[in-house]
Amino acid sequence: EAGVAQSPRYKIIEKRQSVAFWCNPISGHATLYWYQQILGQGPKLLIQFQNNGVVDDSQLPKDRFSAERLKGVDSTLKIQPAKLEDSAVYLCASSVGGRPPYEQYFGPGTRLTVT
Amino acid sequence: DAKTTQPPSMDCAEGRAANLPCNHSTISGNEYVYWYRQIHSQGPQYIIHGLKNNETNEMASLIITEDRKSSTLILPHATLRDTAVYYCIVRVADDYKLSFGAGTTVTVRA
Repeated sequence: EAGVAQSPRYKIIEKRQSVAFWCNPISGHATLYWYQQILGQGPKLLIQFQNNGVVDDSQLPKDRFSAERLKGVDSTLKIQPAKLEDSAVYLCASSVGGRPPYEQYFGPGTRLTVT
Repeated sequence: DAKTTQPPSMDCAEGRAANLPCNHSTISGNEYVYWYRQIHSQGPQYIIHGLKNNETNEMASLIITEDRKSSTLILPHATLRDTAVYYCIVRVADDYKLSFGAGTTVTVRA
């Protein structure tokens, strides 16, 4: 079974530029998550999709971050414009959904450096 | 969500059992205890979860105290590849969300 795929693995941009990350979840997984992990901290949930609908985006900085999952499969997370404090690893995860308890499968992450 | 308390770091010897403690004194009756780990430069990986009974799988064992206020993750024969940050997470039964703390950095030494 293929795991969660993310690209790119690394990205360096200057502040005020824009950037986009892509995630392809495990086939058949209805629920998709984006997390932000700042160095030395645990991952923090940014947004959660159930199929192509948003379940929770309460921690997403909506003035600069956006995410979509148009066909209920792949997802894109965008930052525009980037700030220095956005430097972090952005992790995508997916789960089957349905009745809990259920585990989340994480991708390798995209390491973003904003200079 | 109930919060968890874990030691920031611990060392263990290769081949020995690693016992990772976690306190969750405010856990509710419908909250599960989950353990994930994160090896350097990888995403977190699910290890095991439990409600009140002890659980075992191919990776680890989870021992939950009778009052459910604490638990211990046991890696029976630690290897160098078990070096990682281990997260203990308490999660409401019907909640998708995983709230990660700082975890315990476990270093397995040869």
